[in-house]
Amino acid sequence: AQTVTQSQPEMSVQEAETVTLSCTYDTSENNYYLFWYKQPPSRQMILVIRQEAYKQQNATENRFSVNFQKAAKSFSLKISDSQLGDTAMYFCAFMKPPNAGGTSYGKLTFGQGTILTVHP
Amino acid sequence: NAGVTQTPKFQVLKTGQSMTLQCAQDMNHEYMSWYRQDPGMGLRLIHYSVGAGITDQGEVPNGYNVSRSTTEDFPLRLLSAAPSQTSVYFCASSPSFTSTDTQYFGPGTRLTVL
Repeated sequence: AQTVTQSQPEMSVQEAETVTLSCTYDTSENNYYLFWYKQPPSRQMILVIRQEAYKQQNATENRFSVNFQKAAKSFSLKISDSQLGDTAMYFCAFMKPPNAGGTSYGKLTFGQGTILTVHP
Repeated sequence: NAGVTQTPKFQVLKTGQSMTLQCAQDMNHEYMSWYRQDPGMGLRLIHYSVGAGITDQGEVPNGYNVSRSTTEDFPLRLLSAAPSQTSVYFCASSPSFTSTDTQYFGPGTRLTVL
């Protein structure tokens, strides 16, 4: 079974600064997918960024980028130029690729979450 | 296009009561799933469905039933609520059970069982 660990329960950063959230995972799969989701106080789960394990290039989405270290099974999220609206809980998640006849369809395994607070 | 909708947003039950959490999506997605979110534990998969008429258990299925009579709807039933089921429940959908695309989450239902 896969496990996802976020070792930072809470983080804080000043507006306009950069912050990095950590995530490690454990799997025996060679191909898989990793995600960062944002959950603001509204509770809505919002996809921030995704990474396919077979792609060596780190994914980026505007101010959000990841540092994917496959050998180390590490998947950290870097938020540049932090904004007040980035205040939220952030979840790292893992998905195995679907396989015919298996039971892994679309299952996301989540980490415990990191509460990020951006201070003005 | 409303995406994934969930009702109710909040619910308080007494131990032993039953209720159904509703989930609907208007994107013609094949795959739908239910997660519960508890403090310090992230989200955990309860049940999922790869299409109408097909459901299967996730990581924490005990105490919950599901059915999928239509593509659009995927209700979650609590037959006899227990305090351990106090949680926030999220429904999610994605285009296909073979898809690794983004999963779309509903706004959640906060359930308290007294």
